[in-house]
Amino acid sequence: DAGVIQSPRHEVTEMGQEVTLRCKPISGHDYLFWYRQTMMRGLELLIYFNNNVPIDDSGMPEDRFSAKMPNASFSTLKIQPSEPRDSAVYFCASSFAQGARQPQHFGDGTRLSIL
Amino acid sequence: AQSVAQPEDQVNVAEGNPLTVKCTYSVSGNPYLFWYVQYPNRGLQFLLKYITGDNLVKGSYGFEAEFNKSQTSFHLKKPSALVSDSALYFCAVRDMSGNNRLAFGKGNQVVVIP
Repeated sequence: DAGVIQSPRHEVTEMGQEVTLRCKPISGHDYLFWYRQTMMRGLELLIYFNNNVPIDDSGMPEDRFSAKMPNASFSTLKIQPSEPRDSAVYFCASSFAQGARQPQHFGDGTRLSIL
Repeated sequence: AQSVAQPEDQVNVAEGNPLTVKCTYSVSGNPYLFWYVQYPNRGLQFLLKYITGDNLVKGSYGFEAEFNKSQTSFHLKKPSALVSDSALYFCAVRDMSGNNRLAFGKGNQVVVIP
């Protein structure tokens, strides 16, 4: 049973470059979440979708960050232009409808390093 | 807004001894509470949850947690720790207001000493 799949697992790029992170949620899940994890700030919710529609993007740090969910099986998080302070591990998670009672299932993350 | 506190940065325990990881929460109304574990270079994995009913909930890998409404706590416990339990543990809470966000604690590093 496939879990949440994220790609790439690791990304190293120079500042100013565009970065695109990808996520395939678990089939049948209606909610999709993007998180960022750093030592300083811990786990932060960036944005989440319900049925492909963004519900709450208040955690997106600034306009350089954008997220899309064109269909139920794919989402992207884009950073343009990237900066060294964006270096972190980015996680995608998904859950069923009636998600308040259901746990979120996390992918293994993308470790992003901006030089 | 809901929040979670995990007061200890690191919990050290000898293999075979009982393990406790503490969590207190703040939320309007009745909470939905979750524990997750994170191993190195992996995503968070769900361990157990409290929604309603029995205050003692059992989860994966022999873990259990006790919901205490008067103390607003949801401590994670394991009777006999294994070296393989060494990981980062997160407590999380969601309130019942319809907001589907989870508030995570900062995490506790558990080190089980052989």
